[in-house]
Amino acid sequence: RKEVEQDPGPFNVPEGATVAFNCTYSNSASQSFFWYRQDCRKEPKLLMSVYSSGNEDGRFTAQLNRASQYISLLIRDSKLSDSATYLCVVNKINFNKFYFGSGTKLNVKP
Amino acid sequence: GAGVSQSPRYKVAKRGQDVALRCDPISGHVSLFWYQQALGQGPEFLTYFQNEAQLDKSGLPSDRFFAERPEGSVSTLKIQRTQQEDSAVYLCASSPRTSGYEQYFGPGTRLTVT
Repeated sequence: RKEVEQDPGPFNVPEGATVAFNCTYSNSASQSFFWYRQDCRKEPKLLMSVYSSGNEDGRFTAQLNRASQYISLLIRDSKLSDSATYLCVVNKINFNKFYFGSGTKLNVKP
Repeated sequence: GAGVSQSPRYKVAKRGQDVALRCDPISGHVSLFWYQQALGQGPEFLTYFQNEAQLDKSGLPSDRFFAERPEGSVSTLKIQRTQQEDSAVYLCASSPRTSGYEQYFGPGTRLTVT
């Protein structure tokens, strides 16, 4: 079983839509959680860290559910520029090893 | 300021050749990671350095893969006797901290083994 699982998508949404992705992780000892964004043929870039109480950054909201071992990302008022692959990342208790999901592809259409 | 840089950006190797991939992390970053990313997949952890010490190499797929960071800054990932399954993008990332932290990725080296 993979450490981190994501729906590969693609999610095809119109501009202005709200879209949500989930990611599940298998190890309950996981400590740190992140969402990264990766554009086609580019390197991953940090979108946001995910805190236990949930956190928001502009149009983006991340939440963590430790009991069910999943994290989510909500994007409101989607822009064309949000089109990318969103990678869920989980860090185990030893803090040195990071597990990436395979990514969820988002296409925002005009 | 300067980000993480990697060279070469593209490398084509014939099966059986040795290759060396270089990573220049952000100046002063203690932590350095190497990842392998196959097409359509997320990055897979290969190895981790804290300064010059290689603290975790559990992700290296075989003993043909070797990484070093002798002075705690520049790192090299070497792959001996390359095989076709080694074809992937090799990403380097660095971080200023040693735990629970964001990583800054380089542009990657796209390795194609023919």
